[in-house]
Amino acid sequence: EIVLTQSPNFQSVTPKEKVTFTCRASQDLGISLHWYQHKADQSPKLLIKYASQSISGVPSRFSGSGSGTEFTLTISGLEAEDAATYYCHQSNTLPYTFGQGTKLEIK
Amino acid sequence: QVQLVESGGGVVQPGGSLRLSCATSGFNFNDYGIHWVRRAPGKGLEWVALVQYDGSDKYTDSVKGRFSISRDNSKNTVHLHMNNLTAGDTALYYCAKAGGSYVHYFDYWGQGDLVTVSS
Repeated sequence: EIVLTQSPNFQSVTPKEKVTFTCRASQDLGISLHWYQHKADQSPKLLIKYASQSISGVPSRFSGSGSGTEFTLTISGLEAEDAATYYCHQSNTLPYTFGQGTKLEIK
Repeated sequence: QVQLVESGGGVVQPGGSLRLSCATSGFNFNDYGIHWVRRAPGKGLEWVALVQYDGSDKYTDSVKGRFSISRDNSKNTVHLHMNNLTAGDTALYYCAKAGGSYVHYFDYWGQGDLVTVSS
């Protein structure tokens, strides 16, 4: 199975800052890597599909990049509502897998 | 609008069985795969199973032989039959819609249903 390793596990930042999360895959995914935001007591929300493709209704401060085995999610101009856990997910090879998540705290 | 609503969760003893359902609306059900994803207490998200638009199914290794996923196209509903449950299956179970007939990111999710395996 493909292992996704996210870094960091936790990050604490202040509003208006920019933050970048990394997701590394144990095998080449091409661009079959997606990002989700998961807030406590809510359902996960799709932020980015296929590494860098934006999703309708998701604020433009969320962006993704990468291919192969290394991917990044960048949030520019952080807002208090961005506090959540962020997961990467690969759909290249069954079984589909998630990274362990990066918890983002807004100070 | 697209909606997915899970039901059927609850408390079950180890070795027991449970059937989760995912009732959907707001999209052409016959054209999309539906997935189950779970989150165990204190852990991250884990993909569990998929039923494709054509009824074919896939599973993560830890549930193969114990879980079975099926779809009822007449009721726009997916079921997850869970047998021989263990404490490791305790989790919040989400159903999620695939992004397309042949693509498997999850663009809409249900609110989740809690399964607790305990004696």
